[in-house]
Amino acid sequence: GQSLEQPSEVTAVEGAIVQINCTYQTSGFYGLSWYQQHDGGAPTFLSYNGLDGLEETGRFSSFLSRSDSYGYLLLQELQMKDSASYFCAVRDDYKLSFGAGTTVTVRA
Amino acid sequence: SQTIHQWPATLVQPVGSPLSLECTVEGTSNPNLYWYRQAAGRGLQLLFYSVGIGQISSEVPQNLSASRPQDRQFILSSKKLLLSDSGFYLCAWSEDGAVHEQYFGPGTRLTVT
Repeated sequence: GQSLEQPSEVTAVEGAIVQINCTYQTSGFYGLSWYQQHDGGAPTFLSYNGLDGLEETGRFSSFLSRSDSYGYLLLQELQMKDSASYFCAVRDDYKLSFGAGTTVTVRA
Repeated sequence: SQTIHQWPATLVQPVGSPLSLECTVEGTSNPNLYWYRQAAGRGLQLLFYSVGIGQISSEVPQNLSASRPQDRQFILSSKKLLLSDSGFYLCAWSEDGAVHEQYFGPGTRLTVT
């Protein structure tokens, strides 16, 4: 089976940088995805790391280290609209297994 | 462009009643399809996934079932709902081979009373 750990909550001010860590234990690992979910809404795909290293998409970046079974999502230049839950998810052949999510609260 | 539809948006059902939630995808062929359940303030629990018509894989043993009668239609059913079936049900699709990038429907909020 799969096991993922990520912090439950993070609070930061507008303009700050937030890093959400994700550690995992799994078999048949293909890569690590990140999703954002606003309160009451559906999750939306943010990024995917299939290989070690950093992937950058605008203000968001994601990193993976397979040897450490570790990844993170970096949110830069935080904006109020970034207040949401963020989920890491490990990919195997046919499916994703999601972590419990990190609630990010951005304060003015 | 691709679109995913789910209905109804909200549903209140008594314990012991049947359930049928429908999900359809437009604008793509032979997608992988998924059903998830999310309890309040929790992560997403994968219930079923399908890589083709009539091909259903169950991840969690429970009183729910899924069917895929057409390429872009995925149905979640139950014969008798339990209180523990309450939650936010999400359907998602991905391209075959792009399991990491899933697109979610708007969800159905089910309350079993």
